[in-house]
Amino acid sequence: DAGVTQSPTHLIKTRGQQVTLRCSPKSGHDTVSWYQQALGQGPQFIFQYYEEEERQRGNFPDRFSGHQFPNYSSELNVNALLLGDSALYLCASSLSGSIAFFGQGTRLTVV
Amino acid sequence: AQKVTQAQTEISVVEKEDVTLDCVYETRDTTYYLFWYKQPPSGELVFLIRRNSFDEQNEISGRYSWNFQKSTSSFNFTITASQVVDSAVYFCALSEVDFNKFYFGSGTKLNVKP
Repeated sequence: DAGVTQSPTHLIKTRGQQVTLRCSPKSGHDTVSWYQQALGQGPQFIFQYYEEEERQRGNFPDRFSGHQFPNYSSELNVNALLLGDSALYLCASSLSGSIAFFGQGTRLTVV
Repeated sequence: AQKVTQAQTEISVVEKEDVTLDCVYETRDTTYYLFWYKQPPSGELVFLIRRNSFDEQNEISGRYSWNFQKSTSSFNFTITASQVVDSAVYFCALSEVDFNKFYFGSGTKLNVKP
């Protein structure tokens, strides 16, 4: 049983560009959450998707958007990249009330 | 507002020493979950334990033990007889019961030296 998988593992983008990160949840999980982890910090909640809708959102600008597909996989999109968007982006999947499992993350570097 | 504080930024110990990682939290909710996750250099957050706010019973799992004290809003984690493989960043987190939305502390980096 595959756990949570994220792609790509690493990514380098130029300031102002757009980026899409992908997440496949653990089998049987229907909820996907995204977190941003800056270097030396704890992960910060971006948003959560359930039944293809954004259910909760953290304190992130509208440049951050997402999508959940019928197979429960999810994408995180970031527009107009800033240097400060450089971070490890973590995806977590869960089933209502269950323990959340995290992927290995996508390390985004904006230059 | 929810908040988790891990005051210890980095701890260094020698193998076989015991080490305690501190976690203090703030919440107005009466029902919540507390967690500890381990983050090795690979980046993935590895689940260690979840504790319901109504369950203050301490827990031991092998070399790991957790001390949950609601009166002091603390959820401390002790590793007994530490090993080099325990070296990682450890995060304490709080979540709402319904939505699995985590509030993480800033993490404690544990260095276990041989």
